[in-house]
Amino acid sequence: DAGVIQSPRHEVTEMGQEVTLRCKPISGHNSLFWYRQTMMRGLELLIYFNNNVPIDDSGMPEDRFSAKMPNASFSTLKIQPSEPRDSAVYFCASSLGVGGLTAKLFFGSGTQLSVL
Amino acid sequence: DAKTTQPTSMDCAEGRAANLPCNHSTISGNEYVYWYRQIHSQGPQYIIHGLKNNETNEMASLIITEDRKSSTLILPHATLRDTAVYYCIGPQGGSEKLVFGKGTKLTVNP
Repeated sequence: DAGVIQSPRHEVTEMGQEVTLRCKPISGHNSLFWYRQTMMRGLELLIYFNNNVPIDDSGMPEDRFSAKMPNASFSTLKIQPSEPRDSAVYFCASSLGVGGLTAKLFFGSGTQLSVL
Repeated sequence: DAKTTQPTSMDCAEGRAANLPCNHSTISGNEYVYWYRQIHSQGPQYIIHGLKNNETNEMASLIITEDRKSSTLILPHATLRDTAVYYCIGPQGGSEKLVFGKGTKLTVNP
């Protein structure tokens, strides 16, 4: 298995532009998580899905952020419009489920986002 | 909010055992303790998890106190490649999501 695949690896954009980050979870995994990491705030959970349904989006910073999971093999995190403070590494992770024994997360390599 | 407490940093000599402590005093009976590590610029990597009993795998050992309020991750023979930030994730407060704290930055010295 190729693991969790994220694209792009690096994204540089200008303030105000739309940014779309992509994630392909491990086949057979039912849960998908989006995290954001900065030096100041560490690793923050933004949103997670279970069986393609958003379960908890309380970590999404504001309305400029949106996430979708149209099917079991693909998810997107969109920022529109982007701002410099959105610069961070965004990680996607998947697991067999949530809670208990199934909460073992497999992380992708991340997308380094720089908003100028 | 992370409900675990870990030292900010630790040092260990190469070849020696690294013992990383974690306090999770509010953990409930059915909540697992998970350990992950993050090597610079990579995604976090699962190490081990446990509920009550001590656990061992090819990467590490996990010792959980009888009252389950704390645990220790043991890397039996630390190498330079074990230099990383180690995260202990304990109580989820009934939520299913895994919340990462600040972790412990372990530096393995030659």
